[in-house]
Amino acid sequence: SAVISQKPSRDICQRGTSLTIQCQVDSQVTMMFWYRQQPGQSLTLIATANQGSEATYESGFVIDKFPISRPNLTFSTLTVSNMSPEDSSIYLCSVDNGYEQYFGPGTRLTVT
Amino acid sequence: DAKTTQPNSMESNEEEPVHLPCNHSTISGTDYIHWYRQLPSQGPEYVIHGLTSNVNNRMASLAIAEDRKSSTLILHRATLRDAAVYYCIRPIKAAGNKLTFGGGTRVLVKP
Repeated sequence: SAVISQKPSRDICQRGTSLTIQCQVDSQVTMMFWYRQQPGQSLTLIATANQGSEATYESGFVIDKFPISRPNLTFSTLTVSNMSPEDSSIYLCSVDNGYEQYFGPGTRLTVT
Repeated sequence: DAKTTQPNSMESNEEEPVHLPCNHSTISGTDYIHWYRQLPSQGPEYVIHGLTSNVNNRMASLAIAEDRKSSTLILHRATLRDAAVYYCIRPIKAAGNKLTFGGGTRVLVKP
């Protein structure tokens, strides 16, 4: 299994600002994923982050808006840039061990 | 296309079994079926997965149809803690087991 922590757990931000979300895993993993869950909705994959390579973004998500760093095998960050109220969501990271994915507790972001 | 189809919601009484269906008619021979659930205010958690045979673990059982076009997640004795949204997913192996979440089935357990 893998234990994942995220920081911050929640934040309230003003529009036009940026927030960086951290994801820490207690073991080394190759693949990390970032998801968004808008209010009352299911999860949507933002990007896949492999250590040592550029993140791969899903359709509708771009690097300028959601830059991702993956400096080592246990850590990743997602930045939500130039925020608008539409970015208010829960952001979750996850890791895959080849059989199942483990999810962090999420970061609840509210943009005012 | 990793599409699956599930009912939007189901209700059950506490201590009774819950059968959650999932259709995946476009599944290929090597695609696994995974189930995750999301409890209120938490991230999703893995429940079970299978390929062809029925599978059991401490959380649930997974019954896979012989033609693999559908499967059923079985919670043998629902508890209030099992109230969650249950997702049936076909991971995309070629993309590092990428998960595509559909709407899932919201399970309500009545005391």
